[in-house]
Amino acid sequence: GAGVSQSPSNKVTEKGKDVELRCDPISGHTALYWYRQSLGQGLEFLIYFQGNSAPDKSGLPSDRFSAERTGGSVSTLTIQRTQQEDSAVYLCASSPWEDTQYFGPGTRLTVL
Amino acid sequence: GENVEQHPSTLSVQEGDSAVIKCTYSDSASNYFPWYKQELGKRPQLIIDIRSNVGEKKDQRIAVTLNKTAKHFSLHITETQPEDSAVYFCAASGGTPLVFGKGTRLSVIA
Repeated sequence: GAGVSQSPSNKVTEKGKDVELRCDPISGHTALYWYRQSLGQGLEFLIYFQGNSAPDKSGLPSDRFSAERTGGSVSTLTIQRTQQEDSAVYLCASSPWEDTQYFGPGTRLTVL
Repeated sequence: GENVEQHPSTLSVQEGDSAVIKCTYSDSASNYFPWYKQELGKRPQLIIDIRSNVGEKKDQRIAVTLNKTAKHFSLHITETQPEDSAVYFCAASGGTPLVFGKGTRLSVIA
């Protein structure tokens, strides 16, 4: 079946602009996660949604970052007033509950 | 909360040799331990996982062992091939989101 999809695959923006990254999880998966991966680095947890519960935002690096999950499915990660240090690959994952996570292909964000 | 340590950070082996990556975790309630492989420019993909009711699991050239008493688990790759070159991440969870190790960059030298 269809896996996790993300769009756009690449995004180049100018410093100070806002960006929106989209994630479509696997159908039926109740949990959705956002991670950030800088070049050659590990997976930095950003935010986690589980069903109708309040999201776990403990990994968001600043108040410029926010995320929504509409209707328990699609999620959007928004970065306001982008900075050069925001440049990274943003990965989304989904899982049927809280264990095995399936990752999307990521969005490569470049802030000039 | 859970903390996962992974070693080594880089590992080079000759083709055909074995590779071992080790992880330790802190939360004794953790009961699920997956391993992910991430090739250059690709997404992390699950390669094997183990739950706390078993001590070892094998899938062809890959095996994972779990020692709950010592709170560590390991990935073993036998007869390594160049296509095994990648970054490998361990993770642990116990009813909470996965906590990942920082990754091991494995290079298999032909």
